[in-house]
Amino acid sequence: GEDVEQSLFLSVREGDSSVINCTYTDSSSTYLYWYKQEPGAGLQLLTYIFSNMDMKQDQRLTVLLNKKDKHLSLRIADTQTGDSAIYFCAEKGLGGATNKLIFGTGTLLAVQP
Amino acid sequence: EPEVTQTPSHQVTQMGQEVILRCVPISNHLYFYWYRQILGQKVEFLVSFYNNEISEKSEIFDDQFSVERPDGSNFTLKIRSTKLEDSAMYFCARLAGGPGETQYFGPGTRLLVL
Repeated sequence: GEDVEQSLFLSVREGDSSVINCTYTDSSSTYLYWYKQEPGAGLQLLTYIFSNMDMKQDQRLTVLLNKKDKHLSLRIADTQTGDSAIYFCAEKGLGGATNKLIFGTGTLLAVQP
Repeated sequence: EPEVTQTPSHQVTQMGQEVILRCVPISNHLYFYWYRQILGQKVEFLVSFYNNEISEKSEIFDDQFSVERPDGSNFTLKIRSTKLEDSAMYFCARLAGGPGETQYFGPGTRLLVL
């Protein structure tokens, strides 16, 4: 079945770059997403990438997709303390037109001042 | 893009009681989802709802769960007889049109079953 995995924890210093990694199993996924969840809050969509793209950049965020290895990464440049949160990658599941999202385990990013 | 709002933000209930969680779209959307997140675990898909019908449901979405859109606006998730393991954060999401087929999530309802 569809599965998405992430490392659980990442700690960086303020001003450094953060790279959060994700692997997925469904090679047919058309879209992959990154969501951010701050403590006690909902899921905020950060960015997405279409499966025929290798890279997408949006201000401080860079998404890299290696479709052959089914590997997705999110790079945050100049990481700030406000970036501390849990980051979820998600793929759009197959099965009809439902577009349900399959989420990873989430990576807790801790930014040290 | 505006998201959805959810009520209540928190609910505490006794085991065996019925709860109704509400999702209020900002505008007239057709495609909705419910997800849940048990503390410390993954966000899991429960059900998708399109044009007033269930489109797909997961194994979690058993007979204790139901969804409806009673007044054409609010979108509700009902749990008939809550169990301790239903304690979780429940998120409603709506499908945005356009590229990316993105889903925008509400702030969630934190349900605690005692």
